[in-house]
Parts: sequence; structure tokens; C-alpha cells
Amino acid sequence: GNSVTQMEGPVTLSEEAFLTINCTYTATGYPSLFWYVQYPGEGLQLLLKATKADDKGSNKGFEATYRKETTSFHLEKGSVQVSDSAVYFCALLTQGGSEKLVFGKGTKLTVNP
Amino acid sequence: EAGVTQFPSHSVIEKGQTVTLRCDPISGHDNLYWYRRVMGKEIKFLLHFVKESKQDESGMPNNRFLAERTGGTYSTLKVQPAELEDSGVYFCASSRLDRGRHEQYFGPGTRLTVT
Repeated sequence: GNSVTQMEGPVTLSEEAFLTINCTYTATGYPSLFWYVQYPGEGLQLLLKATKADDKGSNKGFEATYRKETTSFHLEKGSVQVSDSAVYFCALLTQGGSEKLVFGKGTKLTVNP
Repeated sequence: EAGVTQFPSHSVIEKGQTVTLRCDPISGHDNLYWYRRVMGKEIKFLLHFVKESKQDESGMPNNRFLAERTGGTYSTLKVQPAELEDSGVYFCASSRLDRGRHEQYFGPGTRLTVT
């Protein structure tokens, strides 16, 4: 079946620190992969995506590379800001039939000044 | 372009009562999805509409949940009667019908508290 496992938080960092949130997946075939972010009091927003192996998604300084060999899609940012404090969700889009998102449990990130 | 909207933002009801959640997708989006996040757990798929038809309702937990999308525009999700374990955040998402566009746009969610 399809599943996503991501690093459980919470994660607390100081401003300008390096961020990695690990995400691995199990899926049939080669699904598209996503990182969604939920800022406090807001809905889910798409942060970045990758649709095939070796693709790198990037947005707002965040990056993630679709690694087929390790079935991973780790999220990284070189220098976090206080405004990056949010909950981050890794997800895959199932293939065939109804395309639905399968999410990880979410990782809460707090960045302190 | 207006985003996905959901109403209400928060609902507190007693066990046994009925609640109806509403989702208005982005105009022109034929795909509409409902997801739910129960406290501390994953966001889980409930069902998928294509226009007014249910494409996949494999995630609906039981027959206390009824979703409709009359006319293929907005959708409602009714819980009747509500139980304590129904508490959580209910998200709606929409996307275009062409399969090459994978992005689902989410609403802000409805936080449901059953006491």
C-alpha cells in the first residue's frame, strides 16, 4: 500500500540554522511527491513538489529531491527564519483511479530568534 | 482568484447532534476532496468528487458521514449523529480535472469539536 513516514517533531531551531526534515515513502509505482506547510491559523499550502525521480522541488529557500533509490523526499533549508515556524507535511499522490494525497503525520517546526 | 473556502471555521457540538460542513472549491475545479486530521495523527483522505459524482469514497469512516456535491459546485459533509471520535480538522481541497496538473489547493479547514 501507500504510506509516508516523516520525522516526528517537534523541531526547535535558532534563526539561521540548517533544517532537515526526513521523509520516506512506500508506494506502488512512482508517485508525485509534495511538501505542504500549515502556518499558524491558516490552511495547508503547497510548498514544493516533484513529479519524477531526481526532480528537485524548490520554493522560498526550501528544497527536496525525489530519490527513487532510497524512496525519500527530505526537506531542507540552509538558513531558517522565525517566519518558517509552521507544521510541515510530506505527501504522495496515489496513481491510478482516484488521485488522492497520502500524508505523513506532520512535523512542527519552531524557529526562535 | 478566490481560494477554497470552508464554513464554519470552528464548530462545537454535543455527541449525538448533527453538523454540516461546507466547502466551496476554486471556480472551475471539477475535483473536490475531503480530508480529515484527527488530533496528532495523519491527514487522511475521506472522499473524492469529480463534478457531482463520487469518484472514491473509500476513506469515509462509516455511514454517519454523508457527502454531497449537488450541481458539481460546492460540497457539504454531514455528520449524523456525531461521536466523540469525529473531533478533528476537516479539510477540503480542489484541483483541475486534467490529470497532468497534480496540485490540490486546500481550504483553511473546519475544526470540529464533539463534546
